[in-house]
This record gives sequence, structure tokens and C-alpha cells, in this order.
Amino acid sequence: GAVVSQHPSWVICKSGTSVKIECRSLDFQATTMFWYRQFPKQSLMLMATSNEGSKATYEQGVEKDKFLINHASLTLSTLTVTSAHPEDSSFYICSASHQGNNEQFFGPGTRLTVL
Amino acid sequence: AQKVTQAQTEISVVEKEDVTLDCVYETRDTTYYLFWYKQPPSGELVFLIRRNSFDEQNEISGRYSWNFQKSTSSFNFTITASQVVDSAVYFCALPPSGANSKLTFGKGITLSVRP
Repeated sequence: GAVVSQHPSWVICKSGTSVKIECRSLDFQATTMFWYRQFPKQSLMLMATSNEGSKATYEQGVEKDKFLINHASLTLSTLTVTSAHPEDSSFYICSASHQGNNEQFFGPGTRLTVL
Repeated sequence: AQKVTQAQTEISVVEKEDVTLDCVYETRDTTYYLFWYKQPPSGELVFLIRRNSFDEQNEISGRYSWNFQKSTSSFNFTITASQVVDSAVYFCALPPSGANSKLTFGKGITLSVRP
């Protein structure tokens, strides 16, 4: 099956710093990648959809200048949380799909804690 | 608009009991897919099933079975002879028709299986 990795799996940072999370499709070309955020005991909420080589499409209420998404290649998308604050602490999950396939393959998630 | 309702929030059963997790959905699409995912305490989403709306046959995979009722817009999931390892949060999800589409998740059902 298709494998998606995320790095790092967890990160602790100080308030005001920026954190970059990588999402990689290891054995397929991901034309589309999705970024989700999940707060404790809540469901996954889509933050943005990114297509390779184009700007990400953000969901309503998600600040694009705070959550920078780059999808520069067919196997890599990055999410940068800029000037992180404690309220950004969450579990961030990416998923990837390739053209013509309705199925999404999920990464293992990144747990961000902002002190 | 897509909507997924998982009315049950928490279910607790004793090992070896059968348990059914309910999922009701709303969609205007004539063709669609439905998904179930498992999220164990580790956080990684585990894909369980994808069902095409054209296929209304029930599906069985080991101790897992799914009952798709298009007439009632339900896609329920039953675990037979539950085990402690089944303890997790279970999400039902629905994308719009077409490829590379974002998933709408239900709120999830927390299943606890006690020994």
C-alpha cells in the first residue's frame, strides 16, 4: 500500500518560533496533499489542500500567513507554523492522494507543543 | 454540502461483546465513497474500508463488518467479539465525488473495550 511519512513525529518549541513539518509520499507521486489539525478528543479538521506546483487552498478560518504550505514536488509538502503560540499546540496530520484516485493515504501525524 | 453524523460519542463494552458504530451521512452527489478509519492511541489513522455508493452489499472482513443502507444514508460498522486492541477512536468519512477531494470526517466514536 501507499506510504506517507511525516517528520518530525513530535516537536516542542518556544512561543514565537517557527516550526516546519514535512509530509512525504514514499512510494507514489502525490498530486494533492491535505493538511489536517486535530485537537484533543476532537475530529480532524481540514486546514488546506495543496496541489503540486500551485498555491494551497485554505479552509475558511485558517490563516494562510500563519500556516505556510509548500508543495514543491510530487513527493513532498511542508507545513510551516510561523510565530507559534500555545494555542497552535495540536496534532497535525497530512494525507496524500494521486491523480485519479479518490483514496487518501495518511501520515502518522506530528504532535506540536508550543510552550 | 457533505455532512457525516456519528451520534455516539463514547461506547464501552466488555471484551467479546459485539458492538456497532453508527454513521449517517448527507450528500447531494449521486456517486460517492464512504470511509471508515481507526485511530488508536498512537494517533496514526488506520484505513479500514472504502465503499462505493454503487455497491450496497454488506462487507465482512474478519471480525469487522459493514452495513451500507443507501435508503437511510447509513454506513454502520460492527465489530464482532471485540478485543482490547479494538479500543480506539473510529471515524466515518465522506468525500465529494471526483478524485483528489477533501474528506469530511464525523466527530468520531471512542470505543473502549474492557478486559
